[in-house]
Amino acid sequence: DGGITQSPKYLFRKEGQNVTLSCEQNLNHDAMYWYRQDPGQGLRLIYYSQIVNDFQKGDIAEGYSVSREKKESFPLTVTSAQKNPTAFYLCASRSQKTITDTQYFGPGTRLTVL
Amino acid sequence: GDSVTQMEGPVTLSEEAFLTINCTYTATGYPSLFWYVQYPGEGLQLLLKATKADDKGSNKGFEATYRKETTSFHLEKGSVQVSDSAVYFCALSDGETSGSRLTFGEGTQLTVNP
Repeated sequence: DGGITQSPKYLFRKEGQNVTLSCEQNLNHDAMYWYRQDPGQGLRLIYYSQIVNDFQKGDIAEGYSVSREKKESFPLTVTSAQKNPTAFYLCASRSQKTITDTQYFGPGTRLTVL
Repeated sequence: GDSVTQMEGPVTLSEEAFLTINCTYTATGYPSLFWYVQYPGEGLQLLLKATKADDKGSNKGFEATYRKETTSFHLEKGSVQVSDSAVYFCALSDGETSGSRLTFGEGTQLTVNP
């Protein structure tokens, strides 16, 4: 089945450690996105990539890093510089055939810093 | 910049009641408008969308009409079910800029009681 997978579903990390969240899609979509969701709030954009080997900062990129070496994959690293990393992280992808194409979301990864 | 404002929640209804969740937006250009739904512990699912003024998006009994004159995209359903209990997000995408990123409202929690 086509779709977006994120792993792991739950992730625990100690303070001061970097951690990488996986996002893979087999929809042949060009664009991929990372969002952060905090309780009772909407989603905020961390990073996005419109093409392989290129990505742009979103609204809250500080303390995060990404790579886009393959079209199917857009991993997000939460670094120790991120002051409050406990949150629900959502990956999305989108075809870019037209400007009205829809973003489709993965199931999310819940990160908890202990 | 672009912004989305949703009615404050939580909203609690009895089964078969009429639902309205208000959404207004501020954007430059001609955005596409979306409603996403999130069930507990899951990612976001597209519920419906509209890409130009006066378009009506509809899905699973939900409807929303793109009103450019009032910059609104209110979500309605004539008869809600217990299974509609979820968080609903209004979002916009300005396809002309910034990789068609989505700007989200804060979400509205809906609980439907039997």
